[in-house]
Amino acid sequence: DTGVSQDPRHKITKRGQNVTFRCDPISEHNRLYWYRQTLGQGPEFLTYFQNEAQLEKSRLLSDRFSAERPKGSFSTLEIQRTEQGDSAMYLCASSFGEDGYTFGSGTRLTVV
Amino acid sequence: GQQVMQIPQYQHVQEGEDFTTYCNSSTTLSNIQWYKQRPGGHPVFLIQLVKSGEVKKQKRLTFQFGEAKKNSSLHITATQTTDVGTYFCAEYSKTSYDRVIFGPGTSLSVIP
Repeated sequence: DTGVSQDPRHKITKRGQNVTFRCDPISEHNRLYWYRQTLGQGPEFLTYFQNEAQLEKSRLLSDRFSAERPKGSFSTLEIQRTEQGDSAMYLCASSFGEDGYTFGSGTRLTVV
Repeated sequence: GQQVMQIPQYQHVQEGEDFTTYCNSSTTLSNIQWYKQRPGGHPVFLIQLVKSGEVKKQKRLTFQFGEAKKNSSLHITATQTTDVGTYFCAEYSKTSYDRVIFGPGTSLSVIP
């Protein structure tokens, strides 16, 4: 499969627990993005990487959120001390330069 | 800050009717991208418009970029049930950000 892969597809966690999601972008793409989407809304930008450098982080992202992209390949998004308001679909996308994004199927997080 | 607005929010059409969604920005855009998201799916890139007044076609879909590069439209001729989904425009402006910001989307339902 040469698309963007995300793991896991679904995650149910108790409030206060930490969770980590993984994204494997298309190998030729140098840019990787994380978005969050709730029902009925458009994807909301969280952060993005060009190669291994994290170039921007949304002001909406609290200190509980952290993302890494070691060696400019896969990326992880960690949420610490999850809250019910963190329940959403977390989408990863990659692109080459300013081309259109290729999205993964997302990780659906439910915080109970 | 930057944001794109889309109208209408919802559209229900009879199969075979035409459909148009409009996207408006408060700022001049470097380019605009359009995505389609099927129910339960992830956004899929459709097209990118870069030039003022640009018109691009993909089979029954026609995309336009306004002369002032502040608005765009997507027109579908003779809708089919496979057109069901949410259509997002996403603005790309390099003046402040180097990634796309998604509009709220237009949800299209097609009645067979």
